[in-house]
Amino acid sequence: GAVVSQHPSWVICKSGTSVKIECRSLDFQATTMFWYRQFPKQSLMLMATSNEGSKATYEQGVEKDKFLINHASLTLSTLTVTSAHPEDSSFYICSARVTSGVSYEQYFGPGTRLTVT
Amino acid sequence: QKEVEQDPGPLSVPEGAIVSLNCTYSNSAFQYFMWYRQYSRKGPELLMYTYSSGNKEDGRFTAQVDKSSKYISLFIRDSQPSDSATYLCAVMEYGNKLVFGAGTILRVKS
Repeated sequence: GAVVSQHPSWVICKSGTSVKIECRSLDFQATTMFWYRQFPKQSLMLMATSNEGSKATYEQGVEKDKFLINHASLTLSTLTVTSAHPEDSSFYICSARVTSGVSYEQYFGPGTRLTVT
Repeated sequence: QKEVEQDPGPLSVPEGAIVSLNCTYSNSAFQYFMWYRQYSRKGPELLMYTYSSGNKEDGRFTAQVDKSSKYISLFIRDSQPSDSATYLCAVMEYGNKLVFGAGTILRVKS
């Protein structure tokens, strides 16, 4: 299967600072990437959908000014958590979609654990 | 009614058993069906992807889709302790976002 990487795998930051998380599709080009958030023992919550070269589409209730998403190329998307607070502590997972013919397989990165102190 | 219903379990089976995981969905517009495996503190791993009704086999895993009943299944043969994880079903309309089930926690006891 296709490989999606994320960096960093974990990060600790102080309240009020910003954190950037990178998501890369290593062996395929992804027109569409997704950012999810997952709390312990809960399912994935979609935060936003990003398409290369255009603005991200945010899900209802997700603050676009707080969670900045940039899909700069067909292999890279970044999520920046601005002015992070302890309630932003969570597991953030990116995903990239393969679009080929009738295939819409979606692959996930390993996740980034963010802890805000 | 949720778009995708999945029993959260936990489902506990002895090693070597055949495991059956199931989901039902409500929207007949869903055309793409996926099963993911997620270990604790890891991202989901795509196990199976199907586009049409019928069966698809890959090693010990078989995915089954019945569009007429809006029912999808994942079977795991000869289950191993390493299969212990949360299994997520996901469905999708053409060009749209994935809709996940709640996930079933599977425990395979050695």
